[in-house]
This record gives sequence, C-alpha cells and structure tokens, in this order.
Amino acid sequence: ILNVEQSPQSLHVQEGDSTNFTCSFPSSNFYALHWYRWETAKSPEALFVMTLNGDEKKKGRISATLNTKEGYSYLYIKGSQPEDSATYLCASTNTGNQFYFGTGTSLTVIP
Amino acid sequence: DAGITQSPRHKVTETGTPVTLRCHQTENHRYMYWYRQDPGHGLRLIHYSYGVKDTDKGEVSDGYSVSRSKTEDFLLTLESATSSQTSVYFCAISYRADYGYTFGSGTRLTVV
Repeated sequence: ILNVEQSPQSLHVQEGDSTNFTCSFPSSNFYALHWYRWETAKSPEALFVMTLNGDEKKKGRISATLNTKEGYSYLYIKGSQPEDSATYLCASTNTGNQFYFGTGTSLTVIP
Repeated sequence: DAGITQSPRHKVTETGTPVTLRCHQTENHRYMYWYRQDPGHGLRLIHYSYGVKDTDKGEVSDGYSVSRSKTEDFLLTLESATSSQTSVYFCAISYRADYGYTFGSGTRLTVV
C-alpha cells in the first residue's frame, strides 16, 4: 500500500485568485501519477497523467508539475473561477496496476 | 459517463444478504476496477481486473469477490453484506494500467 497524502485538506479562495496544492507520494519505484477533478454528485474526471520527473502538464488554467525524486506533485489553478470548485484527487502507483488515492483537496471558489 | 454504466445506482439491503453490483463498459478497455469511497479515506481499491477471468485483490478486498467472464462486465459481489460495507462504490476502466481512469457514476449501497 502506498501512502499518498494531499494538502491542504480544504481551501477557500476568492474568484480570480491563483492557488496551488500538493500531492506527496513515495518516491521509490515511482511509476505514474494521476490528477482527477471531482465535482459534487459527479464522478472523478481525469485531468493529467504524469510519469517522468520534471513533467509539466497544462489544461487551460490548470497545470501540474511532477518531482519523482522527492515524491511530490503540485497542481496550480490560475485565476480561480467558481466552476473550479471541486475536490482534486491525486493517485500514485509503483507497479502500474494499483493506484492509491489521496483523500483529496476540496477547493471552494467564492464569487 | 460515456461508455461505462453501473447498476444499480442505489440499493438498500439487509445485513447478511448477498449483493451484486454490476459494471458494464462499451469501450473494450482491458482494465476494470472497483473502488469504495468513504469519508476520511478517499477512494480505496477493492479488486481489479486486467483481462477476462484475470482479477486481483486491492487493499480492501476482504468480504468482496469479483468476476469478469467477458470484457464488458465486471461484477462485484458482497457475499454476506455487513454495515461496514455501507459505502459508495465506483467502477473505473482504463485502456492501459497507467492511463487515466474513466469512472462510472457510482452505486450508493446501504446495509441496514
């Protein structure tokens, strides 16, 4: 079992603010990391799949970086909008077969 | 959620009864997964499948069994439901083990 941790647990920001949160995972035998966006009453939706140290991915105002040597990934949201309110999950694997999820960061963007 | 459906969406059952949840996909993806979601625990893997009749245990497999007799269906069975199995169950599919998952809409199971 991999210990995947996310911080902070929850976050409230004003509309227009930029924000970021962290996913920490064991760096030994790292294989891949996923980020998901999970809106209330919906299913998690894949944002990024990252495998290489130094990877940077971007989708609109959301981007992510990966440091496999120290075992962390950052998710950034630039100019937060109310529709960005959701729980953001990360998941990591060292085998490729079983992904272990963190408990998520709940983001609320206040209009 | 295009290509993946879970049934039933909601179920209430009594302690000690068997329950089967179904995950059906139309994407022809090789990998299928069952997760449960509980407050404070996030998503935890119950069982997964990497092909027809090929399954393996996840981190919380006790009390659950699975079967995959054809590519499109992955069944999760609670042999004798207990109150601790009250949860929301999500199925997920993936083209490759390290690809991002597509999740189903979830099944809310209550064991009374």
